[in-house]
Amino acid sequence: SQQGEEDPQALSIQEGENATMNCSYKTSINNLQWYRQNSGRGLVHLILIRSNEREKHSGRLRVTLDTSKKSSSLLITASRAADTASYFCATDVDYGQNFVFGPGTRLSVLP
Amino acid sequence: GAVVSQHPSRVICKSGTSVKIECRSLDFQATTMFWYRQFPKQSLMLMATSNEGSKATYEQGVEKDKFLINHASLTLSTLTVTSAHPEDSSFYICSAALPSVVGDTQYFGPGTRLTVL
Repeated sequence: SQQGEEDPQALSIQEGENATMNCSYKTSINNLQWYRQNSGRGLVHLILIRSNEREKHSGRLRVTLDTSKKSSSLLITASRAADTASYFCATDVDYGQNFVFGPGTRLSVLP
Repeated sequence: GAVVSQHPSRVICKSGTSVKIECRSLDFQATTMFWYRQFPKQSLMLMATSNEGSKATYEQGVEKDKFLINHASLTLSTLTVTSAHPEDSSFYICSAALPSVVGDTQYFGPGTRLTVL
């Protein structure tokens, strides 16, 4: 079974709006990672947040982690059409021993 | 759902030997597969994009002669680490893209842990 489950599966917003994607997982983790994938391309790492961290920022990206709820969220502020992509969360349970991706959220940012 | 397998799951080899890792899409055909590596406590880093019937596209900084990729069929891609050295020890994970009308969906293999002594 999958460890990470993104929600929603698909999201369409207007340019300039904020996009929020959520990820839930089932077991304890060492870290959680968010990736982006453009159509036909490989994953690009966005942010890694460790289990003892609650929030991280990178440019227009903000990631939160709530280990008590076993969930994380990725917020993209002031979205752009170029943000259109699929976004995946991945949980690293044992530093590579059990690394599991969720099915992803497909984000469409309309101009 | 779609399943991607990798073999072997773990391999330990001596320095200087070559190691082949297989990535298979078990119930779908994948024209595109991706290879990643992960160092301890780090994120996955894309190494290359493997396209069936053509040469792989390598990311900047990845030596194509060191990491040979072959995508001979729509269900199998192989990564061969040639003349492996201890610094090649890492976790290697592949993914396979399943096309759909709304775009590709990636399915990930369970990964292969390579330890080079």
